[in-house]
Amino acid sequence: GAVVSQHPSWVICKSGTSVKIECRSLDFQATTMFWYRQFPKQSLMLMATSNEGSKATYEQGVEKDKFLINHASLTLSTLTVTSAHPEDSSFYICSSPKGGSIVSFFGQGTRLTVV
Amino acid sequence: RKEVEQDPGPFNVPEGATVAFNCTYSNSASQSFFWYRQDCRKEPKLLMSVYSSGNEDGRFTAQLNRASQYISLLIRDSKLSDSATYLCVVNAAGNQFYFGTGTSLTVIP
Repeated sequence: GAVVSQHPSWVICKSGTSVKIECRSLDFQATTMFWYRQFPKQSLMLMATSNEGSKATYEQGVEKDKFLINHASLTLSTLTVTSAHPEDSSFYICSSPKGGSIVSFFGQGTRLTVV
Repeated sequence: RKEVEQDPGPFNVPEGATVAFNCTYSNSASQSFFWYRQDCRKEPKLLMSVYSSGNEDGRFTAQLNRASQYISLLIRDSKLSDSATYLCVVNAAGNQFYFGTGTSLTVIP
């Protein structure tokens, strides 16, 4: 079964609105959560790394004011796409290493379409 | 240069065929290596970790060549259900993971 639960699995929103994506670790404490974006036929691209209780670290070229990340608890991290535009349409996915393992487990992904 | 480079394919093979994918990485200090499988519009799922001595899991064999900085995945006796995108993932240091672009495999009846 899933160890990282991500919601929603798909969302369609109007341009200019904000969308929140949640990732929950189900049976472990997710100290670190990675947020990725994947455009069609491209690789997963790391957007940011969030650590519980501290500010997220964003990759170069990712606007922190547009992609708000909150990791207030050890089981929940959220990504909010603010003022979404059609070019933000993509597959967003989170992952977290479970416990002391180096293996990352992924959420189910969120397919965002901005119209 | 990309951290991880992978032939995107597509690879179209008949059922029962053997197919191999390679993936090269640029950081010689990379510590851990993985193959993930991603089905269309789904999240990647761990297929297998890659150990220095090579490892096998059923029809799947993973190899690591540190000297040449590449990892490989061999699939024997391909099944229709093996059709997917295979991602190589390299853990460079700490929590830094780098993904290949994925190799698309289609197994044809």
